[in-house]
Amino acid sequence: DQQVKQNSPSLSVQEGRISILNCDYTNSMFDYFLWYKKYPAEGPTFLISISSIKDKNEDGRFTVFLNKSAKHLSLHIVPSQPGDSAVYFCAANSGGSNYKLTFGKGTLLTVNP
Amino acid sequence: NAGVTQTPKFQVLKTGQSMTLQCAQDMNHNSMYWYRQDPGMGLRLIYYSASEGTTDKGEVPNGYNVSRLNKREFSLRLESAAPSQTSVYFCASLRGGPDTQYFGPGTRLTVL
Repeated sequence: DQQVKQNSPSLSVQEGRISILNCDYTNSMFDYFLWYKKYPAEGPTFLISISSIKDKNEDGRFTVFLNKSAKHLSLHIVPSQPGDSAVYFCAANSGGSNYKLTFGKGTLLTVNP
Repeated sequence: NAGVTQTPKFQVLKTGQSMTLQCAQDMNHNSMYWYRQDPGMGLRLIYYSASEGTTDKGEVPNGYNVSRLNKREFSLRLESAAPSQTSVYFCASLRGGPDTQYFGPGTRLTVL
């Protein structure tokens, strides 16, 4: 039973345009959400996060939106750059004292020059 | 400050062999985690250690054991490797609270 779903395995956009990556979740106990970026042969690196008490968080070109009623979050990258080409993982934390993350399967973003 | 380090980077084993994957962090983090990543499967939690002296099973613990040697080090052991354990293994650490987990560079393991 997949609790965090990234339904688009891949996305291709032109440089300078907006990239929108989507993530859905089923567990209403999730209270903290993160996006990680992963390049080939490297470990995932943290990109941006959002607490369930917020509906938006921005960090430079990256914005994450959270719609709790729809159990949906999205990552917007504006403007997209070729260096953004990577696999993006959505992750959710169900709280408690162990802070275990549940990951989606990832979306491969390709930004074309 | 090296962050999270993992050794080895690559390993090839034969079915039935054993090995230990090493992980260390120099950020004084309390919690440490082991994940595996398989094609099309995202990252799945194998074991974690919420604090020094404690370990717990994650989503896919079968075939693995772990040791939290001290606050810095968290090792993952395969006692009798199987081809199904061919994967990329990532270690991560967390300072505490709903914060960011920091990942190591990974160990690519192939079991023949």
